[in-house]
Amino acid sequence: DTEVTQTPKHLVMGMTNKKSLKCEQHMGHRAMYWYKQKAKKPPELMFVYSYEKLSINESVPSRFSPECPNSSLLNLHLHALQPEDSALYLCASSQTGLSEKLFFGSGTQLSVL
Amino acid sequence: GQNIDQPTEMTATEGAIVQINCTYQTSGFNGLFWYQQHAGEAPTFLSYNVLDGLEEKGRFSSFLSRSKGYSYLLLKELQMKDSASYLCAVSPYSGGYQKVTFGTGTKLQVIP
Repeated sequence: DTEVTQTPKHLVMGMTNKKSLKCEQHMGHRAMYWYKQKAKKPPELMFVYSYEKLSINESVPSRFSPECPNSSLLNLHLHALQPEDSALYLCASSQTGLSEKLFFGSGTQLSVL
Repeated sequence: GQNIDQPTEMTATEGAIVQINCTYQTSGFNGLFWYQQHAGEAPTFLSYNVLDGLEEKGRFSSFLSRSKGYSYLLLKELQMKDSASYLCAVSPYSGGYQKVTFGTGTKLQVIP
């Protein structure tokens, strides 16, 4: 199994809603990542978990709350988002070695109304 | 921090060869990645260079010069399905994860 699975594929939410994005991998990877990608822009790193501990938070607003309940799962909890948060949210995972590539999920296309 | 530059767009003909350049400035370097991303899809890994020189993998090759902060991706025998964005990315290894920063990407259009 060489897949990173993200759900849902599409999400529309209002600015007062609370929703969660989910990511799962069964490759035994101990590093997991959240990226945000706006249209025609490259992915931007948001959070990194290594061995289930938050290692990087790239100054992301607190309305985004990551969670890594175990080594296979990564969640992104969303609350009180703004329309400018509309984007493709990509989850990725990797081994923890020196030159390991990232495996990306197909993403969740989020629209905030 | 990292600064990565790539051409924004390129057009090439089916069957031809195209070279996509990438220059970078980074504090801490542990390798350069190339990813391919089709519109609306996830990035997929193409190549990784950590030492100077050329890495060949089928129709795709990638070159790195660390002293010049320069890399290129070479695509041979172009096919229509190669129309995609190509992302150059650098990573300073931080122990246990890759802090990958992507360049702006080069949108390649392959025409008949």
